[in-house]
Amino acid sequence: SQTIHQWPATLVQPVGSPLSLECTVEGTSNPNLYWYRQAAGRGLQLLFYSVGIGQISSEVPQNLSASRPQDRQFILSSKKLLLSDSGFYLCAWSHQGQGTEAFFGQGTRLTVV
Amino acid sequence: AQSVTQLGSHVSVSEGALVLLRCNYSSSVPPYLFWYVQYPNQGLQLLLKYTTGATLVKGINGFEAEFKKSETSFHLTKPSAHMSDAAEYFCAVSAPNFGNEKLTFGTGTRLTIIP
Repeated sequence: SQTIHQWPATLVQPVGSPLSLECTVEGTSNPNLYWYRQAAGRGLQLLFYSVGIGQISSEVPQNLSASRPQDRQFILSSKKLLLSDSGFYLCAWSHQGQGTEAFFGQGTRLTVV
Repeated sequence: AQSVTQLGSHVSVSEGALVLLRCNYSSSVPPYLFWYVQYPNQGLQLLLKYTTGATLVKGINGFEAEFKKSETSFHLTKPSAHMSDAAEYFCAVSAPNFGNEKLTFGTGTRLTIIP
């Protein structure tokens, strides 16, 4: 069966520090991968998605970047965190194909102080 | 582009009462529709989905939703609420895009169950 791992679960970082959140998927190959950010009352905002190694699409301009160095690994990064980067970050994957649902990791609660 | 509107950011129902969470969508092509549930500090779990075929879709935990094209709606219902149903619920839509569909989520509805 497929599983998705996302870590860490919580993170407190000072303003201006770098960020690296990692997500890995097991039990499938060539998945679509996604990073979402969740803010209270605003639902889930799609930040990045990837349909293959090295293929990253950004949905919104921001202080973050994403990379996919391996088929089942997706990394969210920042060189210098801002206070506004605080939030709940969720990684997800889906099969490639029509009408497929996304499967979510447990999320990372990031607080920038 | 597609979008989703969830009416009511907070809904409270008594234990044993009907649960109705509203979702309306906008899509230029026949959409795929989803309901997810999220418990505090956790990821999202799929409740049910509509792709094609039968418009009444049954999901986990006794939930169901009906796709109504004429009303562009996909409301979530459960006949009898249970305390364990307290959570946040998200409606989502995607549109066919050669295997590169992206889910667009609504802003969520927090369901509270009154004992």
